[in-house]
Amino acid sequence: GAVVSQHPSRVICKSGTSVKIECRSLDFQATTMFWYRQFPKQSLMLMATSNEGSKATYEQGVEKDKFLINHASLTLSTLTVTSAHPEDSSFYICSARDPGQGMGEQYFGPGTRLTVT
Amino acid sequence: GQQVMQIPQYQHVQEGEDFTTYCNSSTTLSNIQWYKQRPGGHPVFLIQLVKSGEVKKQKRLTFQFGEAKKNSSLHITATQTTDVGTYFCAGPMGNQGGKLIFGQGTELSVKP
Repeated sequence: GAVVSQHPSRVICKSGTSVKIECRSLDFQATTMFWYRQFPKQSLMLMATSNEGSKATYEQGVEKDKFLINHASLTLSTLTVTSAHPEDSSFYICSARDPGQGMGEQYFGPGTRLTVT
Repeated sequence: GQQVMQIPQYQHVQEGEDFTTYCNSSTTLSNIQWYKQRPGGHPVFLIQLVKSGEVKKQKRLTFQFGEAKKNSSLHITATQTTDVGTYFCAGPMGNQGGKLIFGQGTELSVKP
């Protein structure tokens, strides 16, 4: 089945610093990847859609200058949280669709737990 | 805006009891997907339903898609401790290139 990896799994950073999270599709090529944010005991909130070779599209209310997304290749998307603050602490999860199988389901990475101190 | 609502938010059952979670969309959906997220884990795809009135089974799990394609349910027969986790339904977000809108999820706990 389709496998998506995410790195790092956990990161602690100081307020004001930037953090980069990588999302990779390991056994398929993904022209589109999705970035979600999840608070404890809550649902997944779509932040943005990462498109290979073009700009990411952001959901309403998500600051594009704060959450920088780069889809550098067909297997890699990165999310950079710039000038992080404690309120950015959350669980960030990426997902991708495998165009070669299935009917549009998404395969999720293991997530990155970000703590900003 | 488009909404996907899921009830109940929490369900605590004794092992062996049945469990059902319900999903309702404010709009007609082309398909509905179900995911399971174990505690501390990430969502894992379970199934997709496409046809009106469709029913699919996976061992003890039964998934239904309503006739109007606006609601769905997941029923687990004779729960086991391995069923613990949060179950999410998700539907396509408009016609927007594969984006999904998720329900709030139902957290299932099973007492042995």
